[in-house]
Amino acid sequence: DAGVTQSPTHLIKTRGQQVTLRCSPKSGHDTVSWYQQALGQGPQFIFQYYEEEERQRGNFPDRFSGHQYPNYSSELNVNALLLGDSALYLCASSLRGAKGNQPQHFGDGTRLSIL
Amino acid sequence: QQPVQSPQAVILREGEDAVINCSSSKALYSVHWYRQKHGEAPVFLMILLKGGEQKGHEKISASFNEKKQQSSLYLTASQLSYSGTYFCGTENSYSSASKIIFGSGTRLSIRP
Repeated sequence: DAGVTQSPTHLIKTRGQQVTLRCSPKSGHDTVSWYQQALGQGPQFIFQYYEEEERQRGNFPDRFSGHQYPNYSSELNVNALLLGDSALYLCASSLRGAKGNQPQHFGDGTRLSIL
Repeated sequence: QQPVQSPQAVILREGEDAVINCSSSKALYSVHWYRQKHGEAPVFLMILLKGGEQKGHEKISASFNEKKQQSSLYLTASQLSYSGTYFCGTENSYSSASKIIFGSGTRLSIRP
């Protein structure tokens, strides 16, 4: 039973560039959430996708956008990269339940470094 | 609103107990607890959905007090494998599209 997989594991970009990160959810999961984790901090919620639509969004600018495909996989796109975007980007999948959010299963993340 | 965790860090000897607290300034619908080891993904420990509910996971348990808008994680007879950073995540409302807001974490170090 494959868990959450993210690619790439590491990425180095320069300011102003654009980046796309990918995530395949755990088998059987239909909801994908993206988080940004700075060093020594907790994961910060970026947005959540379900049924190919953005359902919830955190306090992130429009430079951060996403997509979910019919097979539930998801992408996170960041435009006009800033030095402050350097972080670990985590994808978490879950199964939408009747009682709100369910346990989230995290991938190992993509370490993004901006030079 | 980000939940506040305390303490920020704790150092224990193997076999000792610890309590990690998580409090919110807003009413809570649920509380999630995760553990993250250095360089690894956060791992789900437990979720508490009802006020006053207490759940257990091996020698790790948690309580959730809706009225006080807080949750506590209890680690008893700590083992070396318990080392890592513990995060609480809170949901402030019931919604099929709710989001989890994480605290800044409590770093737990266990010494032999």
